[in-house]
Amino acid sequence: QKEVEQNSGPLSVPEGAIASLNCTYSDRVSQSFFWYRQYSGKSPELIMSIYSNGDKEDGRFTAQLNKASQYVSLLIRDSQPSDSATYLCAVDPNFGNEKLTFGTGTRLTIIP
Amino acid sequence: DADVTQTPRNRITKTGKRIMLECSQTKGHDRMYWYRQDPGLGLRLIYYSFDVKDINKGEISDGYSVSRQAQAKFSLSLESAIPNQTALYFCATSEPGGQPQHFGDGTRLSIL
Repeated sequence: QKEVEQNSGPLSVPEGAIASLNCTYSDRVSQSFFWYRQYSGKSPELIMSIYSNGDKEDGRFTAQLNKASQYVSLLIRDSQPSDSATYLCAVDPNFGNEKLTFGTGTRLTIIP
Repeated sequence: DADVTQTPRNRITKTGKRIMLECSQTKGHDRMYWYRQDPGLGLRLIYYSFDVKDINKGEISDGYSVSRQAQAKFSLSLESAIPNQTALYFCATSEPGGQPQHFGDGTRLSIL
């Protein structure tokens, strides 16, 4: 079983709509969760960090964490063509260990 | 200037050659990491270092070695390159305590 799982997509969303990206993880003791955006051929760029159950909002982005169900999600409101990228979910399976486990990413395409 | 700088950005070389990829950072972070990224496989950890005297193997360290020359410098070597080491390589840094990792721009390595 993969430790961090994401739907590889592609996920196509109309411009202006909400894009919803999901990630599940296997290690119950995980404490730190991150979403990265990666454009083709470029480096991963941190979008959101979340450490506690619930929602965390930053501009058009909202991260949601549910530790009981072992999933973390990313919502992108008012999707723009520039949001088209691969989104990587990363989990620190042992708080303070600083060894992130990455999912394989979900490719998101925003359709104008 | 970038906070995490990788050199070279692109490299084409032949099987059996020794190659060194370099990473330097101005973020003042103690923790540094080397990853490779292959299509469909996501980011995989090669080596990581929590300080100058600390070097640890990641999940795919075979065929690679590293050197932590200073807090700011972490080099990855391929002693005798083989074609299946063709990939995109990323260096990353982080602070302790479950903080996110910050990536360099990557090195695209092709081994013929």
